[in-house]
Amino acid sequence: DAGVIQSPRHEVTEMGQEVTLRCKPISGHNSLFWYRQTMMRGLELLIYFNNNVPIDDSGMPEDRFSAKMPNASFSTLKIQPSEPRDSAVYFCASSGTADVNTQYFGPGTRLTVL
Amino acid sequence: AQSVTQLDSQVPVFEEAPVELRCNYSSSVSVYLFWYVQYPNQGLQLLLKYLSGSTLVKGINGFEAEFNKSQTSFHLRKPSVHISDTAEYFCAVSDKGSQGNLIFGKGTKLSVKP
Repeated sequence: DAGVIQSPRHEVTEMGQEVTLRCKPISGHNSLFWYRQTMMRGLELLIYFNNNVPIDDSGMPEDRFSAKMPNASFSTLKIQPSEPRDSAVYFCASSGTADVNTQYFGPGTRLTVL
Repeated sequence: AQSVTQLDSQVPVFEEAPVELRCNYSSSVSVYLFWYVQYPNQGLQLLLKYLSGSTLVKGINGFEAEFNKSQTSFHLRKPSVHISDTAEYFCAVSDKGSQGNLIFGKGTKLSVKP
């Protein structure tokens, strides 16, 4: 199994630009989670989906952030417009019905907003 | 609301010494507990988890953790560490009815010196 796939691995952009992060969960998993990791705040859950439906987006910091899951094998996290304080590592994780409590993490996308 | 406290942000130890990384949680309901490890520039990898049954849980790489309900703790231990154990370790908690929504601690950086 390929594991959770995230792209790009690194993204450097300028303030005000749109940024799109991508995630492919493990095949057969039906829950998908987006996290943000910073030195100051640690790991924060931004949003999670179950069967492609957003269940809890209370962690999304503000309207500049949006996430979609158009099908079971793909999700995006978009920031528009981006700001320097959005600089962080963004992780995607997935879990399946056989072991709903175990999340498998992708390698992360390191975002730098200048 | 749930929370997880990792009492030590950094733990330096010498190779082959024992180590304990402390984790306390607060929750008003029954929980599942997890330890994840993050090696530099990588995603999180599950070390071990407590779902039910024996309170002593064994994980990968020789690590183990003990669930103590009365003290609301889930400390991680290893009797003899290796240089390769140098990483950041995260404790996480999930309510049994939460569809796998994890709350993470701030992390403990374990530094193993020769």
